[in-house]
Amino acid sequence: NAGVMQNPRHLVRRRGQEARLRCSPMKGHSHVYWYRQLPEEGLKFMVYLQKENIIDESGMPKERFSAEFPKEGPSILRIQQVVRGDSAAYFCASSPPGGFGYGYTFGSGTRLTVV
Amino acid sequence: SQQGEEDPQALSIQEGENATMNCSYKTSINNLQWYRQNSGRGLVHLILIRSNEREKHSGRLRVTLDTSKKSSSLLITASRAADTASYFCATDANTGTASKLTFGTGTRLQVTL
Repeated sequence: NAGVMQNPRHLVRRRGQEARLRCSPMKGHSHVYWYRQLPEEGLKFMVYLQKENIIDESGMPKERFSAEFPKEGPSILRIQQVVRGDSAAYFCASSPPGGFGYGYTFGSGTRLTVV
Repeated sequence: SQQGEEDPQALSIQEGENATMNCSYKTSINNLQWYRQNSGRGLVHLILIRSNEREKHSGRLRVTLDTSKKSSSLLITASRAADTASYFCATDANTGTASKLTFGTGTRLQVTL
């Protein structure tokens, strides 16, 4: 069991470009969560997805950010027209069916740097 | 408002000593979890305590939960240099269909030889 896989580990984008972050949950996990961590801060919830379904996107910025978890393939967090303030570590976590009540397994994160 | 505030923000101890970190939160919860994060790495789940539990142990870790005070503590006994990391508490409010964790800002623990 390879755990939660995120790629790329590091991503550098120029202002105005698009960033695509991928997350493959643990085998058997059907719930995916995306969190963002700014330097020296805790993680902030962004979005919670199940297969083909966005359950809670209350932490997503209203513009430029979107997330999906298709029937096949990894979950994608997409940031359009990146700005310097998007520079952060983005973590994905997954949990088994039932979602809550279990410790979440986190990936190693994608560190996005916008130059 | 921020749920899950850790105290202290930073803690430096010598190897062999015990480390205690505290976490306070604001709303009702279903469970509270503690995670460790080594510098530049992802989070590792340490322990989960449910709202109807008061204390839980896992190896050198001891977690307490006081729902009346909305607080939790994480005790690491006989600390080692490898325990150096940031420790975060996270609350799971489970508001119905959605489940998400709310993290505190963390305690940076430094264990010196």
